[in-house]
Amino acid sequence: GQSLEQPSEVTAVEGAIVQINCTYQTSGFYGLSWYQQHDGGAPTFLSYNGLDGLEETGRFSSFLSRSDSYGYLLLQELQMKDSASYFCAVNSGTGGFKTIFGAGTRLFVKA
Amino acid sequence: SQTIHQWPATLVQPVGSPLSLECTVEGTSNPNLYWYRQAAGRGLQLLFYSVGIGQISSEVPQNLSASRPQDRQFILSSKKLLLSDSGFYLCAWGQGRASEKLFFGSGTQLSVL
Repeated sequence: GQSLEQPSEVTAVEGAIVQINCTYQTSGFYGLSWYQQHDGGAPTFLSYNGLDGLEETGRFSSFLSRSDSYGYLLLQELQMKDSASYFCAVNSGTGGFKTIFGAGTRLFVKA
Repeated sequence: SQTIHQWPATLVQPVGSPLSLECTVEGTSNPNLYWYRQAAGRGLQLLFYSVGIGQISSEVPQNLSASRPQDRQFILSSKKLLLSDSGFYLCAWGQGRASEKLFFGSGTQLSVL
């Protein structure tokens, strides 16, 4: 089966940098993605890593190490609006279409 | 541009009643489609996914079923709802060779009483 582990909560101050880690176990791994979800809303896509290394999109970066079954999401210059839940998800199975989500990390950004 | 429609936004149903949630996608052909359920404060549980008409992969539920009667339509059903079926149901479509990027509908909050 598949399993993903990420911290349940992280707190940081405005303007700081925060890193949310994700470790996974799965067969037929294709890639790791990250989603943001605000309370009451639907998840929105942030980033995807199919290969080892760092992907940067504005204030957000994501990293993957396939050999370590590990990835992280890095959020820089934190803003209050970044307070949300962040989910890592793995694409696996035949064709990689099976997308399994972690339990999520609740990020609290304080002034 | 692509859009995904999911309805209704809120639904209150008695135990034992049937369920039908519908999701449609516009602006793309042959999308990979997904149904997830989310309990309050929890992660997303994959229920079903489909890579084509009539092709449904079931991940978990014993009390739910899914159908894909048309290319861009995905339906979640139940013949008799249980209390444990309550939750936030999300439909999504996948973009990319392996659905690397999922786009979600606005969700249906289902309360079974």
